[in-house]
Amino acid sequence: KQEVTQIPAALSVPEGENLVLNCSFTDSAIYNLQWFRQDPGKGLTSLLLIQSSQREQTSGRLNASLDKSSGRSTLYIAASQPGDSATYLCALSGGSNYKLTFGKGTLLTVNP
Amino acid sequence: DAGVIQSPRHEVTEMGQEVTLRCKPISGHDYLFWYRQTMMRGLELLIYFNNNVPIDDSGMPEDRFSAKMPNASFSTLKIQPSEPRDSAVYFCASSPQTGMGYEQYFGPGTRLTVT
Repeated sequence: KQEVTQIPAALSVPEGENLVLNCSFTDSAIYNLQWFRQDPGKGLTSLLLIQSSQREQTSGRLNASLDKSSGRSTLYIAASQPGDSATYLCALSGGSNYKLTFGKGTLLTVNP
Repeated sequence: DAGVIQSPRHEVTEMGQEVTLRCKPISGHDYLFWYRQTMMRGLELLIYFNNNVPIDDSGMPEDRFSAKMPNASFSTLKIQPSEPRDSAVYFCASSPQTGMGYEQYFGPGTRLTVT
């Protein structure tokens, strides 16, 4: 059974800092990995999707990497802004039925 | 497209009552997923449909939960009878296909409170 862990559970940084969020998983037989953002009381917004055959994806100030051999993914946020404050979740799709398994998220606070 | 639409956004009900949550997926998406989010357990998949057919309902917690998809543009998740431990945020998501390159798109969720 796939298990997804996100460390740290919460992170507070000053504005402008570069930061890395971590996601680890136990089963490397995945189809893809998605990073989501969730604002308080809102739904999930997909940020980046990395296919199993890819190593990284970039969108603006965000860069996500995937290392299946070590069971790790990172989400790098450059020049953080207060508007980046949210919970970030990683989720993996794999197995015989493509369903997503989620980590519990990292609550990011960027202080002005 | 308006994205995935869920209703109601908030539902407060008393224990023992029937609750029905509704979802309209993005037009053209063949897959529909129901998730539940709680502080303790995070986000968990309850059930998903492909072309209106339930494929995997192994996440449905009990017989009190049921889901239907009568057509490509509408799905319901029903809880009967509801219990306080069912209090959570319920999300619906849809995807054009599944596999390596396809994202899931989430609705805003329904916050259910059972007193």
